[in-house]
Amino acid sequence: RKEVEQDPGPFNVPEGATVAFNCTYSNSASQSFFWYRQDCRKEPKLLMSVYSSGNEDGRFTAQLNRASQYISLLIRDSKLSDSATYLCVVNKAAGNKLTFGGGTRVLVKP
Amino acid sequence: EAGVVQSPRYKIIEKKQPVAFWCNPISGHNTLYWYLQNLGQGPELLIRYENEEAVDDSQLPKDRFSAERLKGVDSTLKIQPAELGDSAVYLCASSLGGGESYEQYFGPGTRLTVT
Repeated sequence: RKEVEQDPGPFNVPEGATVAFNCTYSNSASQSFFWYRQDCRKEPKLLMSVYSSGNEDGRFTAQLNRASQYISLLIRDSKLSDSATYLCVVNKAAGNKLTFGGGTRVLVKP
Repeated sequence: EAGVVQSPRYKIIEKKQPVAFWCNPISGHNTLYWYLQNLGQGPELLIRYENEEAVDDSQLPKDRFSAERLKGVDSTLKIQPAELGDSAVYLCASSLGGGESYEQYFGPGTRLTVT
């Protein structure tokens, strides 16, 4: 079983709609959680950190469920520019060692 | 501020040939990482440096891969000899420190094709 698992998608989303997807992680010792965004043939970039209380950044909302070991990302009012692959990332306590999921591809269409 | 710089951006070589990738991290970033990303997958850590010391190279295939960061700034990742399965994107990243609170910034990557 992979340490971090994601639905690869693609999630085809009408412009203006809401889309949400999850990521599960297997190591209960994981301490920090992030969502990275990766555009086609580009490098990953940090989208947002995920806090235990849940956090929001504009149209993006991230949630963490430690009991069930998953994190989620919700995108409201989807824009064409939101089309990308969203990478779920988990960091264990020892050092800044990121473990990436395989990514969820989101395609926002007019 | 300049980001992480990598070169070359693309490289095509025949199998069994050697290849080297270069990375210049963001100025002042002590921690440097090399990742490998296969198509449709997330990046996987190969090696992490704190200044010039490799503090985590557990995922580096040491029979053919080597890396160095001699002066604690630039780094080179080498493959010798390359195999067909090494075709992938090699990403370099850097962060201010090695703790989990430090954001990692990625370079554009080197896309390697082994024929």
